Amino acid sequence: EVQLVESGGGLVQPGGSLRLSCEGSGFTFSSYSLHWVRQAPGKGLEYISAVTANGLTTHYADSVRGRFTISRDNSKNTLYLQMGSLRPEDLAVYYCARLGPSGWNDYWGQGTLVTVSS
Amino acid sequence: EIVLTQSPATLSLSPGEGATLSCRASQSLSSYLAWYQQKPGQAPRLLIYDASNRATGIPARFSGSGSGTDFTLTISGLEPEDFAVYYCQQRSNWPRTFGQGTKLEIK
Repeated sequence: EVQLVESGGGLVQPGGSLRLSCEGSGFTFSSYSLHWVRQAPGKGLEYISAVTANGLTTHYADSVRGRFTISRDNSKNTLYLQMGSLRPEDLAVYYCARLGPSGWNDYWGQGTLVTVSS
Repeated sequence: EIVLTQSPATLSLSPGEGATLSCRASQSLSSYLAWYQQKPGQAPRLLIYDASNRATGIPARFSGSGSGTDFTLTISGLEPEDFAVYYCQQRSNWPRTFGQGTKLEIK
């Protein structure tokens, strides 16, 4: 069974940093591109970052470029999102999602909540 | 950035009825559009990809159509578990973007 499990969310002060992790299982982790998508409370979905299967190519939404860094360790079956210079508007549930053979996100984690507040 | 506009914002229907949800793109997507279902406290679930293909395990009552800038998700014979929020998403350009969602609620 394919599973993605996020961790690392929590409360952080504005300007602070946090690292999210997403551990995959039940599939060949190193063969799939992975994405981070976030959802502010009561709001819609926002794509924020992507990384290819080998980790060599990354993409960022304008809202996080220069502040967030996506990476992966295929030996640990883990995806990361290093978040810096956090702002109150970064408050959201952060999901990792696999890019499936169809070209779409076929499996998602359960999400981890990031709260930015003083 | 491609903007996706979903309508209506809220759709109130009864179980057994049919639902038609729309998604309009600010520029042509060809067929690079998907539909997701999200229930409270859960992650989104892929329903339809490339405009009209059902994802694995999705019941046949869900169907998608359209191309270019106008797309439709049709649910025939609503089941109680279908009441949720539905999002369209494009992958024609980075960043992939979502519509703002349509809430399908029980009338």
